[in-house]
Amino acid sequence: AQRVTQPEKLLSVFKGAPVELKCNYSYSGSPELFWYVQYSRQRLQLLLRHISRESIKGFTADLNKGETSFHLKKPFAQEEDSAMYYCALSGGRGGNKLTFGTGTQLKVEL
Amino acid sequence: SQTIHQWPATLVQPVGSPLSLECTVEGTSNPNLYWYRQAAGRGLQLLFYSVGIGQISSEVPQNLSASRPQDRQFILSSKKLLLSDSGFYLCAWSRTDLSNQPQHFGDGTRLSIL
Repeated sequence: AQRVTQPEKLLSVFKGAPVELKCNYSYSGSPELFWYVQYSRQRLQLLLRHISRESIKGFTADLNKGETSFHLKKPFAQEEDSAMYYCALSGGRGGNKLTFGTGTQLKVEL
Repeated sequence: SQTIHQWPATLVQPVGSPLSLECTVEGTSNPNLYWYRQAAGRGLQLLFYSVGIGQISSEVPQNLSASRPQDRQFILSSKKLLLSDSGFYLCAWSRTDLSNQPQHFGDGTRLSIL
């Protein structure tokens, strides 16, 4: 069975500080990992996916198969980064189903 | 461009009443469609998904059902609502032509059962 673990419900950092949102997964095959973000009063939206290997809004995430992790990082947090972040895994089976973690609320303080 | 519409935005229903939530997608053909329930501290739980008209897969046993009467229409229903059906329901779609595609979400429906 596939599982996604986000150990932190809430992460509070100061503006300008580095951010790391943790995500660990359990899957026997080759997973596709995603980070989704939900800003206040906005719909859940895709932030980035590991296969794209790109930086979005200053965020990056590297898939570490040895540690089965896909942590989301940003070197300098901005106030507008405050949001709910979800890590998700697709096992590529029928229907492109996603397994989501429980989410981490990021709060960037001034 | 593709868009997804979900309605109503909020709904208050008495216990035992029926339910119908609707979701439609525009700008794409033959999408995969999904219904999730989002609960605080519990993330998103996949309830149903559909890979085509009339094809519904249920992920968890529950008091709800789903239907896909048209290619881009996905409906979440119940004959008799329970208190435990309260929650935030999200509809999503993804492409079917490639594997491991991201999903795109609607604005959600806040359902309160009294």
